[in-house]
Amino acid sequence: GAVVSQHPSRVICKSGTSVKIECRSLDFQATTMFWYRQFPKKSLMLMATSNEGSKATYEQGVEKDKFLINHASLTLSTLTVTSAHPEDSSFYICSAKAGGAGYSPLHFGNGTRLTVT
Amino acid sequence: QKEVEQDPGPLSVPEGAIVSLNCTYSNSAFQYFMWYRQYSRKGPELLMYTYSSGNKEDGRFTAQVDKSSKYISLFIRDSQPSDSATYLCAMGGDTNAGKSTFGDGTTLTVKP
Repeated sequence: GAVVSQHPSRVICKSGTSVKIECRSLDFQATTMFWYRQFPKKSLMLMATSNEGSKATYEQGVEKDKFLINHASLTLSTLTVTSAHPEDSSFYICSAKAGGAGYSPLHFGNGTRLTVT
Repeated sequence: QKEVEQDPGPLSVPEGAIVSLNCTYSNSAFQYFMWYRQYSRKGPELLMYTYSSGNKEDGRFTAQVDKSSKYISLFIRDSQPSDSATYLCAMGGDTNAGKSTFGDGTTLTVKP
């Protein structure tokens, strides 16, 4: 149980274009999803918290107009990297929190490797 | 100072060895403790989840939490080459909107 599917696993795009990444919880409802960025051999950097039906909460230093997050249903959150530039190239990972308002461990997707040329 | 400290390694052991991975933390509000395993170019996979102090065993894996020392450990018995991965500790509490705080990860290589 607690499977999170992330798509696409890899994407290459040209500078200036936008890329959408999907994160789905397949067998549970996720009121909260988190989006991370991971640099090579580094830990996870939390970008934003996505709550179903409300605006995402962004971490300090993350441009909300560049990284658009939508959490329209209890099983789907999307991250759109707008006007991508080479410095946006990275590994993006989503996670979903099962259960209600209390704490519960996160379940991760398999990540999306974005390369901006 | 980081809230969670984890030695990045790398750690290299022969097959069959017992592996000990550790994290320390400073936030006494943490009550939930996790260990994740991450293979290269994949998302982290939840290995162990414990609440408060104590031990939890699952097959070859044992997680220990000592809240008085703010120290957690993951032991891997009879390590296998397939255990080669990066191990991330993570922690959370009831007062942080469900967020988890992660260590930087320890890279483990088990040599056949």
